[in-house]
Amino acid sequence: EAEVAQSPRYKITEKSQAVAFWCDPISGHATLYWYRQILGQGPELLVQFQDESVVDDSQLPKDRFSAERLKGVDSTLKIQPAELGDSAMYLCASSPLAGVVSETQYFGPGTRLLVL
Amino acid sequence: DQQVKQNSPSLSVQEGRISILNCDYTNSMFDYFLWYKKYPAEGPTFLISISSIKDKNEDGRFTVFLNKSAKHLSLHIVPSQPGDSAVYFCAASVGDEKLTFGTGTRLTIIP
Repeated sequence: EAEVAQSPRYKITEKSQAVAFWCDPISGHATLYWYRQILGQGPELLVQFQDESVVDDSQLPKDRFSAERLKGVDSTLKIQPAELGDSAMYLCASSPLAGVVSETQYFGPGTRLLVL
Repeated sequence: DQQVKQNSPSLSVQEGRISILNCDYTNSMFDYFLWYKKYPAEGPTFLISISSIKDKNEDGRFTVFLNKSAKHLSLHIVPSQPGDSAVYFCAASVGDEKLTFGTGTRLTIIP
Protein backbone atom coordinates (compact mmCIF):
# COMPACT_ATOMS: atom_id res chain seq x y z
CA GLU A 1 0.00 0.00 0.00
CA ALA A 2 1.40 3.40 -1.01
CA GLU A 3 2.36 5.69 1.85
CA VAL A 4 3.50 9.24 2.43
CA ALA A 5 7.19 9.22 3.38
CA GLN A 6 8.79 11.74 5.69
CA SER A 7 12.34 12.21 6.90
CA PRO A 8 13.89 12.53 9.30
CA ARG A 9 11.54 10.97 11.81
CA TYR A 10 13.19 12.81 14.70
CA LYS A 11 15.28 15.94 14.80
CA ILE A 12 16.95 17.66 17.74
CA THR A 13 18.44 21.06 17.09
CA GLU A 14 19.59 24.09 18.99
CA LYS A 15 17.86 27.42 18.97
CA SER A 16 18.87 29.62 16.02
CA GLN A 17 19.96 26.68 13.87
CA ALA A 18 18.37 25.82 10.52
CA VAL A 19 16.34 22.63 10.06
CA ALA A 20 14.72 21.04 7.04
CA PHE A 21 12.11 18.34 6.67
CA TRP A 22 11.37 16.29 3.59
CA CYS A 23 8.12 14.77 2.36
CA ASP A 24 7.47 12.39 -0.52
CA PRO A 25 3.73 12.13 -1.20
CA ILE A 26 1.92 9.16 -2.64
CA SER A 27 2.70 8.89 -6.33
CA GLY A 28 0.27 10.83 -8.47
CA HIS A 29 -1.11 12.94 -5.63
CA ALA A 30 -1.36 16.52 -6.83
CA THR A 31 -2.11 18.14 -3.48
CA LEU A 32 0.39 18.25 -0.63
CA TYR A 33 -0.08 19.67 2.85
CA TRP A 34 2.27 20.51 5.71
CA TYR A 35 0.76 20.56 9.20
CA ARG A 36 2.24 21.42 12.58
CA GLN A 37 0.96 19.63 15.67
CA ILE A 38 2.04 21.11 18.98
CA LEU A 39 1.85 18.72 21.93
CA GLY A 40 -1.69 18.55 23.27
CA GLN A 41 -3.21 20.25 20.24
CA GLY A 42 -4.60 19.16 16.90
CA PRO A 43 -2.78 19.51 13.60
CA GLU A 44 -2.74 23.01 12.14
CA LEU A 45 -2.29 23.60 8.42
CA LEU A 46 0.88 25.50 7.56
CA VAL A 47 0.89 25.31 3.77
CA GLN A 48 -1.00 23.62 0.95
CA PHE A 49 0.41 22.97 -2.52
CA GLN A 50 -1.46 22.15 -5.69
CA ASP A 51 1.26 20.64 -7.89
CA GLU A 52 4.12 23.15 -7.47
CA SER A 53 1.94 26.14 -6.61
CA VAL A 54 1.11 27.37 -3.12
CA VAL A 55 -2.66 27.40 -2.56
CA ASP A 56 -2.71 28.46 1.09
CA ASP A 57 0.17 29.59 3.28
CA SER A 58 -1.80 31.96 5.47
CA GLN A 59 -0.68 30.23 8.68
CA LEU A 60 2.97 29.83 7.70
CA PRO A 61 5.29 32.13 9.74
CA LYS A 62 7.05 33.46 6.69
CA ASP A 63 9.77 35.29 8.58
CA ARG A 64 11.36 31.97 9.47
CA PHE A 65 9.51 29.19 7.63
CA SER A 66 9.69 28.37 3.95
CA ALA A 67 8.26 25.55 1.89
CA GLU A 68 8.82 24.45 -1.65
CA ARG A 69 7.64 21.77 -4.04
CA LEU A 70 9.77 22.55 -7.05
CA LYS A 71 8.74 19.79 -9.46
CA GLY A 72 5.31 19.23 -8.01
CA VAL A 73 6.34 15.96 -6.40
CA ASP A 74 8.32 15.94 -3.15
CA SER A 75 8.48 18.89 -0.81
CA THR A 76 10.80 20.49 1.73
CA LEU A 77 9.82 22.56 4.76
CA LYS A 78 12.57 24.69 6.25
CA ILE A 79 12.86 26.66 9.48
CA GLN A 80 15.61 29.24 9.88
CA PRO A 81 16.31 30.15 12.59
CA ALA A 82 14.57 27.59 14.80
CA GLU A 83 13.00 28.83 18.03
CA LEU A 84 12.03 26.96 21.18
CA GLY A 85 8.35 27.31 20.30
CA ASP A 86 8.88 25.41 17.05
CA SER A 87 9.14 22.14 18.96
CA ALA A 88 6.29 20.08 17.51
CA MET A 89 5.35 17.24 15.19
CA TYR A 90 5.44 18.26 11.54
CA LEU A 91 3.03 16.20 9.47
CA CYS A 92 2.87 15.93 5.71
CA ALA A 93 -0.26 14.77 3.92
CA SER A 94 -1.19 14.27 0.30
CA SER A 95 -4.39 13.97 -1.66
CA PRO A 96 -5.13 12.86 -5.20
CA LEU A 97 -7.80 15.51 -5.60
CA ALA A 98 -7.68 19.26 -5.96
CA GLY A 99 -8.86 21.38 -3.08
CA VAL A 100 -9.56 20.00 0.35
CA VAL A 101 -11.65 16.92 -0.20
CA SER A 102 -10.99 16.17 3.37
CA GLU A 103 -11.29 12.45 3.77
CA THR A 104 -8.87 11.75 0.98
CA GLN A 105 -5.91 13.25 2.84
CA TYR A 106 -3.29 10.61 3.59
CA PHE A 107 -0.84 11.49 6.35
CA GLY A 108 2.78 10.54 6.74
CA PRO A 109 4.26 9.46 10.10
CA GLY A 110 5.58 12.95 10.84
CA THR A 111 8.88 14.49 11.91
CA ARG A 112 9.17 15.24 15.60
CA LEU A 113 11.28 18.35 16.16
CA LEU A 114 12.81 19.30 19.50
CA VAL A 115 14.50 22.70 19.74
CA LEU A 116 16.86 23.12 22.70
CA ASP B 1 -9.82 30.95 19.23
CA GLN B 2 -10.41 27.20 19.34
CA GLN B 3 -13.23 26.60 16.86
CA VAL B 4 -13.28 22.83 17.36
CA LYS B 5 -13.09 21.54 20.91
CA GLN B 6 -12.71 18.11 22.42
CA ASN B 7 -13.19 18.68 26.11
CA SER B 8 -12.19 15.19 27.26
CA PRO B 9 -8.44 14.66 26.89
CA SER B 10 -8.80 11.00 27.76
CA LEU B 11 -11.39 8.23 28.05
CA SER B 12 -11.17 4.66 29.31
CA VAL B 13 -13.73 2.05 28.30
CA GLN B 14 -14.07 -1.65 28.98
CA GLU B 15 -13.66 -3.93 25.99
CA GLY B 16 -17.02 -4.79 24.46
CA ARG B 17 -18.75 -1.66 25.78
CA ILE B 18 -19.65 1.48 23.89
CA SER B 19 -17.10 4.28 23.50
CA ILE B 20 -18.53 7.77 23.01
CA LEU B 21 -16.21 10.58 21.98
CA ASN B 22 -17.52 14.12 21.87
CA CYS B 23 -16.67 17.22 19.89
CA ASP B 24 -18.10 20.74 19.97
CA TYR B 25 -17.65 23.51 17.44
CA THR B 26 -18.34 27.21 17.36
CA ASN B 27 -18.27 28.08 13.64
CA SER B 28 -21.78 27.66 12.24
CA MET B 29 -20.33 27.74 8.71
CA PHE B 30 -18.71 24.31 9.12
CA ASP B 31 -20.49 21.93 6.79
CA TYR B 32 -18.30 18.86 6.79
CA PHE B 33 -17.02 16.94 9.78
CA LEU B 34 -14.54 14.12 10.10
CA TRP B 35 -12.99 11.84 12.68
CA TYR B 36 -9.37 10.77 12.45
CA LYS B 37 -7.61 8.10 14.44
CA LYS B 38 -3.94 8.29 15.36
CA TYR B 39 -1.67 5.58 16.69
CA PRO B 40 1.70 6.49 18.27
CA ALA B 41 4.47 7.14 15.74
CA GLU B 42 1.96 7.19 12.88
CA GLY B 43 0.09 9.94 11.08
CA PRO B 44 -3.67 10.36 11.51
CA THR B 45 -5.87 8.11 9.40
CA PHE B 46 -9.36 8.95 8.25
CA LEU B 47 -12.10 7.09 10.09
CA ILE B 48 -15.53 8.44 9.22
CA SER B 49 -17.17 11.67 8.07
CA ILE B 50 -20.53 13.37 7.97
CA SER B 51 -21.98 16.18 5.92
CA SER B 52 -24.09 18.85 7.58
CA ILE B 53 -27.12 17.71 5.58
CA LYS B 54 -27.16 14.50 7.58
CA ASP B 55 -27.47 13.81 11.29
CA LYS B 56 -26.03 10.30 11.32
CA ASN B 57 -23.50 8.25 9.39
CA GLU B 58 -22.62 4.66 10.12
CA ASP B 59 -19.71 2.49 9.05
CA GLY B 60 -19.47 -0.88 10.73
CA ARG B 61 -18.77 -0.40 14.43
CA PHE B 62 -18.41 3.36 14.00
CA THR B 63 -21.28 5.85 13.97
CA VAL B 64 -21.02 9.62 13.90
CA PHE B 65 -23.91 11.78 15.08
CA LEU B 66 -24.29 15.45 14.26
CA ASN B 67 -26.48 17.87 16.21
CA LYS B 68 -26.30 21.14 14.29
CA SER B 69 -28.48 23.12 16.68
CA ALA B 70 -26.14 22.24 19.54
CA LYS B 71 -23.01 22.46 17.35
CA HIS B 72 -22.04 19.04 18.63
CA LEU B 73 -20.89 15.81 17.10
CA SER B 74 -20.08 12.49 18.64
CA LEU B 75 -18.40 9.27 17.59
CA HIS B 76 -19.79 5.99 18.88
CA ILE B 77 -17.74 2.81 18.74
CA VAL B 78 -19.67 -0.39 19.43
CA PRO B 79 -18.36 -2.79 20.56
CA SER B 80 -15.04 -1.33 21.63
CA GLN B 81 -11.98 -3.43 20.89
CA PRO B 82 -8.37 -3.20 22.16
CA GLY B 83 -7.21 -2.09 18.72
CA ASP B 84 -9.39 0.99 19.08
CA SER B 85 -6.99 2.40 21.68
CA ALA B 86 -5.63 5.52 19.99
CA VAL B 87 -5.99 9.29 19.91
CA TYR B 88 -9.11 10.46 18.10
CA PHE B 89 -9.32 13.87 16.46
CA CYS B 90 -12.45 15.51 15.17
CA ALA B 91 -12.05 18.00 12.35
CA ALA B 92 -14.30 20.35 10.44
CA SER B 93 -14.23 22.34 7.26
CA VAL B 94 -16.22 24.94 5.36
CA GLY B 95 -16.67 23.60 1.85
CA ASP B 96 -13.24 22.94 0.38
CA GLU B 97 -11.40 25.14 2.86
CA LYS B 98 -8.78 23.85 5.22
CA LEU B 99 -9.48 21.39 8.01
CA THR B 100 -9.71 22.68 11.56
CA PHE B 101 -8.80 19.98 14.07
CA GLY B 102 -9.78 19.52 17.69
CA THR B 103 -7.22 18.81 20.39
CA GLY B 104 -7.83 15.08 20.47
CA THR B 105 -9.12 12.49 22.94
CA ARG B 106 -6.97 9.54 23.99
CA LEU B 107 -9.14 6.43 24.10
CA THR B 108 -7.94 3.45 26.10
CA ILE B 109 -9.81 0.17 25.83
CA ILE B 110 -9.40 -1.96 28.92
CA PRO B 111 -9.34 -5.73 28.23
